[in-house]
Amino acid sequence: AQKITQTQPGMFVQEKEAVTLDCTYDTSDQSYGLFWYKQPSSGEMIFLIYQGSYDEQNATEGRYSLNFQKARKSANLVISASQLGDSAMYFCAINNAGNNRKLIWGLGTSLAVNP
Amino acid sequence: GAVVSQHPSRVICKSGTSVKIECRSLDFQATTMFWYRQFPKKSLMLMATSNEGSKATYEQGVEKDKFLINHASLTLSTLTVTSAHPEDSSFYICSASPGNTEAFFGQGTRLTVV
Repeated sequence: AQKITQTQPGMFVQEKEAVTLDCTYDTSDQSYGLFWYKQPSSGEMIFLIYQGSYDEQNATEGRYSLNFQKARKSANLVISASQLGDSAMYFCAINNAGNNRKLIWGLGTSLAVNP
Repeated sequence: GAVVSQHPSRVICKSGTSVKIECRSLDFQATTMFWYRQFPKKSLMLMATSNEGSKATYEQGVEKDKFLINHASLTLSTLTVTSAHPEDSSFYICSASPGNTEAFFGQGTRLTVV
């Protein structure tokens, strides 16, 4: 069975600084995908970044980058130059990169960006 | 990215009544959609997988007679909370994928049963 662990219930960061949100995973699949989503207080789930298990390069999307360490089974999200609008819940998720698009979710990390 | 629209965003209903929530994929066809429930400050809990043209697949512990799912077309899935009670009050959110990568989510529906 797949599992996601996010050990940081809450994080604080100063505006304009970088922050790393931790995510470790457990899976017996060889092929899988890792996702990060942002959920502001409004409730919507916003896709941020995706990393495939066979991708050799770490994924990057603007200010978001994923520090993928396959041997350690970690997929930490790095947000550079934090903005006040980055304050939200952040969820890490995993799926089987085959036909199963069902996502397994972590418990989330609440990020607060201080001015 | 792809667009998934969910309606209504908020609904308040009386105990004992039924509520229907719609999830539409606006710019792609979705043979599969997912319905989640989220309690305050908690993670998403998958309730069921909605399959176009066939019965939904429910997760363990989810009452299929309570949460009726209909996926009648490639762009629309509905979740009906039947005979709603206050304990059904929650945030419900759907997702769909145009391919085999990221899932796109609806805006979510905050249901309050009074």
